[in-house]
Amino acid sequence: SQQGEEDPQALSIQEGENATMNCSYKTSINNLQWYRQNSGRGLVHLILIRSNEREKHSGRLRVTLDTSKKSSSLLITASRAADTASYFCAWEDTGGFKTIFGAGTRLFVKA
Amino acid sequence: GAVVSQHPSRVICKSGTSVKIECRSLDFQATTMFWYRQFPKQSLMLMATSNEGSKATYEQGVEKDKFLINHASLTLSTLTVTSAHPEDSSFYICSATDHTSGSSDTQYFGPGTRLTVL
Repeated sequence: SQQGEEDPQALSIQEGENATMNCSYKTSINNLQWYRQNSGRGLVHLILIRSNEREKHSGRLRVTLDTSKKSSSLLITASRAADTASYFCAWEDTGGFKTIFGAGTRLFVKA
Repeated sequence: GAVVSQHPSRVICKSGTSVKIECRSLDFQATTMFWYRQFPKQSLMLMATSNEGSKATYEQGVEKDKFLINHASLTLSTLTVTSAHPEDSSFYICSATDHTSGSSDTQYFGPGTRLTVL
């Protein structure tokens, strides 16, 4: 399978709570990116973390990367109803610039 | 920032016809373009990688004769779904990157094309 795993598959939280999504991949990577996708729409790039980085922040987003465990996490703090979407991690493997997507987490934030 | 466009955004066709989807990089030269397919409530599956001026590299399980990819210029790649059938109905997304620039790790995604085959 191309895809690694993301968990949870679905997450439902109340507005104001934090949401954490995890991603695991299988290969050696150059970088890992997180994207958001609203239903039936295109992808929105959120954040990129390179293989030599361990943590990155952007506004309410915090991404960690553990290359020894081949895993990454995305934390959204103080969630809002507008954060409701599917979130995907995607990694560029070192072999040939391909970007492979994880299975995704569907986040629902209740107002 | 760099922009990638896709045309058409939506297409409905009859079974057995062929459909061409265009992917354009609007303000940069895309040395490499990728085509993905996304079924409802699923993730993006990489179909093929195309480099300008050479044949596309298809992922395992993707029929190259059914999904024809042409990357004839540095700003345009096309995906043609030949003899489309209802099971080809999906959301097709392209992305582009410029490996000749200093920031080769940035991929820019198009808005997607929703194909419905009746």
